[in-house]
Amino acid sequence: AQTVTQSQPEMSVQEAETVTLSCTYDTSESDYYLFWYKQPPSRQMILVIRQEAYKQQNATENRFSVNFQKAAKSFSLKISDSQLGDAAMYFCAYRVQGAQKLVFGQGTRLTINP
Amino acid sequence: DAGVTQSPTHLIKTRGQQVTLRCSPKSGHDTVSWYQQALGQGPQFIFQYYEEEERQRGNFPDRFSGHQFPNYSSELNVNALLLGDSALYLCASSLTSRALKNIQYFGAGTRLSVL
Repeated sequence: AQTVTQSQPEMSVQEAETVTLSCTYDTSESDYYLFWYKQPPSRQMILVIRQEAYKQQNATENRFSVNFQKAAKSFSLKISDSQLGDAAMYFCAYRVQGAQKLVFGQGTRLTINP
Repeated sequence: DAGVTQSPTHLIKTRGQQVTLRCSPKSGHDTVSWYQQALGQGPQFIFQYYEEEERQRGNFPDRFSGHQFPNYSSELNVNALLLGDSALYLCASSLTSRALKNIQYFGAGTRLSVL
């Protein structure tokens, strides 16, 4: 079974500092996609960053970057220069190439301290 | 450019009743997926609709059914509501023809409370 595990239910960081959110997944597939979604109190899931498993280079989007370790099945999210607007639930998600569904982790609640 | 819209935003029902939730996909998208998010949990995949047919289904009972219309909008129906059906129901849309970039965009959800 494909599972996604986020071992940190809550994290907090000082504004302007860097924080890393952890995610591990279990799969026997070789071709898949990994995502980080942000869910603020408004409830709408917003895509933060995406990684294709066949790409060795880690994805980056402005202040957001990932550390993708395929052999270890690890996919962590680093947020640099944290801002108050980054406060939200963060979900790691997985999708097999050719499949339709996203498999989500349990989420990590990120708090930004001013 | 309108994003994914869902209605209603909140809904209260009693056990045994039936409910219909609605979703309009992002402009240009042809595929709609539905997820159930229980409080404090990650979303769970219910099913996906493409070309007005259910394409894949998650581990949900037959009480959960859906429909997609020719304009790509979709409905999620839940019959014989149980207390455990209380959750946030999320709709996500995507464009199937862009398979490699099949990113799902989410709406703000419908909060269903079953009393």
